[in-house]
Amino acid sequence: EVQLVESGGAVAQPGGSLRLSCVIAGFNFDDYTLHWVRQPPGKGLEWVSLIRWDSGLTSYGDSVRGRFATSRNINKNTVFLQMTSLRTEDTALYYCAKEKLGSSWTAFDYWGQGTLVNVFS
Amino acid sequence: QSALTQPASVSGSPGQSITISCTGSSTDVGTYDFVSWYQQLPGKAPKLIIHDVTKRPSGVSTRFSGSKSGSTASLTISGLQSEDEADYYCCSYAGNSCVVFGGGTKLTVL
Repeated sequence: EVQLVESGGAVAQPGGSLRLSCVIAGFNFDDYTLHWVRQPPGKGLEWVSLIRWDSGLTSYGDSVRGRFATSRNINKNTVFLQMTSLRTEDTALYYCAKEKLGSSWTAFDYWGQGTLVNVFS
Repeated sequence: QSALTQPASVSGSPGQSITISCTGSSTDVGTYDFVSWYQQLPGKAPKLIIHDVTKRPSGVSTRFSGSKSGSTASLTISGLQSEDEADYYCCSYAGNSCVVFGGGTKLTVL
């Protein structure tokens, strides 16, 4: 069974950095895409970024572009979200989600449980 | 990337049908058939219920259906049940390898 497990969420100060991890298990295909999606407490979902597993191609939402960077470690089946220049509005539960094979871009069929990032001074 | 527009809340009685709209623009919903819908129960991760505008993943009830007209996508839930009470989000491809979500709709089953 496919499992995604996030970690790395913590309390951080504005201007600080954090690195989130998402370990993927139970899935053997090489050509899939992983996404990061966040949800501020009591609010809606916001797309953060994606990374294509085979090529390493990345893309980012407007609110994080230039501050966040997504990468992967193929040998460890792990995706990372490096967060820098953190702002209070980055406070959220961060999910990693796998894109459904055979579909494109927005069909996330497996999600992790989320990891909480809290940015305050 | 502007968020897609959804009604903040909708409600219906058991057995009724409800429709949730998701309005975008010519740069997202209006151009691409890559629209998905998610159901989120309190304290849980979102669950995919519709993808590629109209497709239902295996195991999702046939009471859920999706459609699109112009720049507006819609989710219809027929035969409303108490367990359908949740938050619902639409999601669209927005070009340039970017994705955008709607603001979410809280469904109340009366």
